[in-house]
Amino acid sequence: AQSVTQLDSQVPVFEEAPVELRCNYSSSVSVYLFWYVQYPNQGLQLLLKYLSGSTLVKGINGFEAEFNKSQTSFHLRKPSVHISDTAEYFCAVRAANRDDKIIFGKGTRLHILP
Amino acid sequence: DTAVSQTPKYLVTQMGNDKSIKCEQNLGHDTMYWYKQDSKKFLKIMFSYNNKELIINETVPNRFSPKSPDKAHLNLHINSLELGDSAVYFCASSPGTGTEAFFGQGTRLTVV
Repeated sequence: AQSVTQLDSQVPVFEEAPVELRCNYSSSVSVYLFWYVQYPNQGLQLLLKYLSGSTLVKGINGFEAEFNKSQTSFHLRKPSVHISDTAEYFCAVRAANRDDKIIFGKGTRLHILP
Repeated sequence: DTAVSQTPKYLVTQMGNDKSIKCEQNLGHDTMYWYKQDSKKFLKIMFSYNNKELIINETVPNRFSPKSPDKAHLNLHINSLELGDSAVYFCASSPGTGTEAFFGQGTRLTVV
């Protein structure tokens, strides 16, 4: 079985500052990894995904994430945040090559300070 | 066109009632899911269907019964609603192995 740990429940950051949201996973099989964003009162939108290949993955809205197999991490970064980035961010994992469920972390609330 | 659509968006009902939430996807995906998001934003899988067949059934009370009349639809029926059922329920679909899920906008269920 897979699991995901998001180490920070909330991250406050000043506007235009860089941010990193941490995610670690656990799995006995190869996995695919995802970051989703949820704006207030909305559904989940995919930010980026890692399936294979380059470990640095670029997504929408200037976000990127790096897959680190040895550290079982998939941290999300953005060099300069904007007030519109205020949202809940979810890291998720799925067993590779299987039609299996996607398991979510508990989410990190990104709070942008003016 | 909305890819994954759920109805209703809001549902307020009394304890003990029976209610249904409908979900439709126009993406041609084979797999559909129901997730429950609690008040702390935690997302938990409830069910997964592949081409109308149940493939994942997490530990969910049997008051919850999914139904998939065809692979584009996955409805959720809930009997004898309880206060603890209050949550946001998300429908999602996926084309299959190794790919992301596409989510609907959610149904906020409030049981009073």
